[in-house]
Amino acid sequence: AQSVAQPEDQVNVAEGNPLTVKCTYSVSGNPYLFWYVQYPNRGLQFLLKYITGDNLVKGSYGFEAEFNKSQTSFHLKKPSALVSDSALYFCAVRVLTGGGNKLTFGTGTQLKVEL
Amino acid sequence: GAVVSQHPSRVICKSGTSVKIECRSLDFQATTMFWYRQFPKQSLMLMATSNEGSKATYEQGVEKDKFLINHASLTLSTLTVTSAHPEDSSFYICSAIGSGGPTETQYFGPGTRLLVL
Repeated sequence: AQSVAQPEDQVNVAEGNPLTVKCTYSVSGNPYLFWYVQYPNRGLQFLLKYITGDNLVKGSYGFEAEFNKSQTSFHLKKPSALVSDSALYFCAVRVLTGGGNKLTFGTGTQLKVEL
Repeated sequence: GAVVSQHPSRVICKSGTSVKIECRSLDFQATTMFWYRQFPKQSLMLMATSNEGSKATYEQGVEKDKFLINHASLTLSTLTVTSAHPEDSSFYICSAIGSGGPTETQYFGPGTRLLVL
């Protein structure tokens, strides 16, 4: 079975500083990895995904994530955080198996960017 | 990215009534749609997966007679909460994916806040 872990419930960062939101996964095949962001009382917005190829994936709003197969990680990063980046971030994995197209989500990490 | 809409955005109803939530893919054909439920400060719980023209597949523990799902076309899926009770109050989010297979991005609607009195 596939699973995703986001070890931090909350991450606090000062505006202008780099941010990292951690994600590790456990799958039995090749993972397809996704990051989504959720603002209060809203659905999830797609940020970026890793399918294959370059381990560093660039996405929306200046976010990027690095796929690390040996560490089974897909941490989300941004060089300079903005207050408007404050939101709930979800990592998700999908595996090409009999499980079809189901995404498995992590528990989410609340990012708080302060002035 | 692709757009998925949901209607209504919030609904308040009396206990015992039924509520229908619509989910539409606005600029792509969704071969598969998903319905999720999210409790405060928690992750998304997949309720069911539906493919156009076929019966929905419900996750374990989700009552199919209570949460009726109809995927009538490639752009519309509906979730009907029948005989709603206060414990059904939650944030319901739909999601849709095209026909590109497991590498394709899944897009989410803005969610519907249901409050059952």
